[in-house]
Amino acid sequence: QVQLQESGPGLVKPSQTLSLTCTVSGDSIDSGNHYWSWIRQPAGKGLEWIGRIYISGSTNYNSSLKSRVTISVDTSSNQFSLKLSSVTAADTAVYYCARHWLWPGGHDAFDLWGQGTLVTVSS
Amino acid sequence: DIQMTQSPSSLSASVGDRVTITCRASQSIRSYLNWYQHKPGKAPNLLIYAATSLQSGVPSRFSGSGSGTDFTLTISSLQPEDFATYYCQQSHSAPTFGGGTKVEIK
Repeated sequence: QVQLQESGPGLVKPSQTLSLTCTVSGDSIDSGNHYWSWIRQPAGKGLEWIGRIYISGSTNYNSSLKSRVTISVDTSSNQFSLKLSSVTAADTAVYYCARHWLWPGGHDAFDLWGQGTLVTVSS
Repeated sequence: DIQMTQSPSSLSASVGDRVTITCRASQSIRSYLNWYQHKPGKAPNLLIYAATSLQSGVPSRFSGSGSGTDFTLTISSLQPEDFATYYCQQSHSAPTFGGGTKVEIK
């Protein structure tokens, strides 16, 4: 059974860089036709897609966050990571990692998610 | 970006009720629409992809319909484990989600 688990600091100071890692267990991160994504949810608000990475290293980012986001993959560790720079209180949220499955025919969806990790931006 | 609008934002229903949730896209997304169930403290769960396809392992009381800009998620007979928040998400372009519909016990 494939599982995803987020890890990283729960508290980040304003203007610093938020760094999270998602560990994939139960399968190899480079098997199958899918992307790996990061999604966040501020308290009381909806879900916001942050960006994704393909196993080749190709990335796509939310245009509203693009200037501050970097997503990378480490196949040897079966992990992918998120870095969000210059954080403010508005970046306080539960951050989820997710598998972005691609079906034949072009449809795709987030078919597997981690439990999420709360990151608070505060001094 | 494509905006997704869900209605209602919350609803109260009883076990056994038929529940319908609506999602509208700001432009045509053909059938590139997914539905998720989210319970507090848990990972969101994919229910429906490509507007009408039931994800493996999801009970058949869940169904999706629609295309273009208007979509519906229907729960044919609400069960106790279905009380949760439901989100739609478009996959036509950069992913965006609806604001969610919280299904509460009446």
